Amino acid sequence: QVQLVQSGAEVKKPGASVKVSCKASGYSFTGYYMHWVRQAPGQGLEWMGRINPNSGGTNYAQKFQGWVTMTRDTSISTAYMELSRLRSDDTAVYYCARAQQQLGEPLDYWGQGTLVTVSS
Amino acid sequence: DIQMTQSPSSLSASVGDRVTITCRASQSISSYLNWYQQKPGKAPKLLIFAASSLQSGVPSRFSGSGSGTDFTLTISSLQPEDFATYYCQQSYSTSFTFGPGTKVDIK
Repeated sequence: QVQLVQSGAEVKKPGASVKVSCKASGYSFTGYYMHWVRQAPGQGLEWMGRINPNSGGTNYAQKFQGWVTMTRDTSISTAYMELSRLRSDDTAVYYCARAQQQLGEPLDYWGQGTLVTVSS
Repeated sequence: DIQMTQSPSSLSASVGDRVTITCRASQSISSYLNWYQQKPGKAPKLLIFAASSLQSGVPSRFSGSGSGTDFTLTISSLQPEDFATYYCQQSYSTSFTFGPGTKVDIK
């Protein structure tokens, strides 16, 4: 069965970087885009970007351009999201989600989420 | 970027009620509209894709309609497990914006 397993919770200081991993299993990793979505405490969902695991090509939300980097390692079916220059308002749960091969790339499988806390 | 709005932001309903949530895009997005359900502490769950296609395994009491800029999610008979927050998401542009969410709670 399809599974996305994310790395564990992180606590970072302002100005630091964080790298979250998302290990995929149960399907062909290179066949489906991987998206990243975050959710601040008590807030809604915010789309950050996506990566094509086959080519490595990325699309980032304008807000995150120059600030987020999405990569992948196809040998271990893992996607990564790195966010730099962290601020306190980057405290959020970060999710990876697989995009279904359907019109509009709906996100059909999600990781369990990784809580990133930014605090001095 | 395409902006998404939802109404209402919250609603109270009873088991068995028919519930309708509206999502509006700031420009035409054809049928590139997905709906998700999220319960507290859990990852979102895909309900509807391409405006009106029911995701496999999702109960048929959920339905979606609309195209262009105006979309609706309907729950025909609200069940106890349906109390949650619902988000729309546009996938027309390569910036897959979410709506702000609609929280459905118990009256």
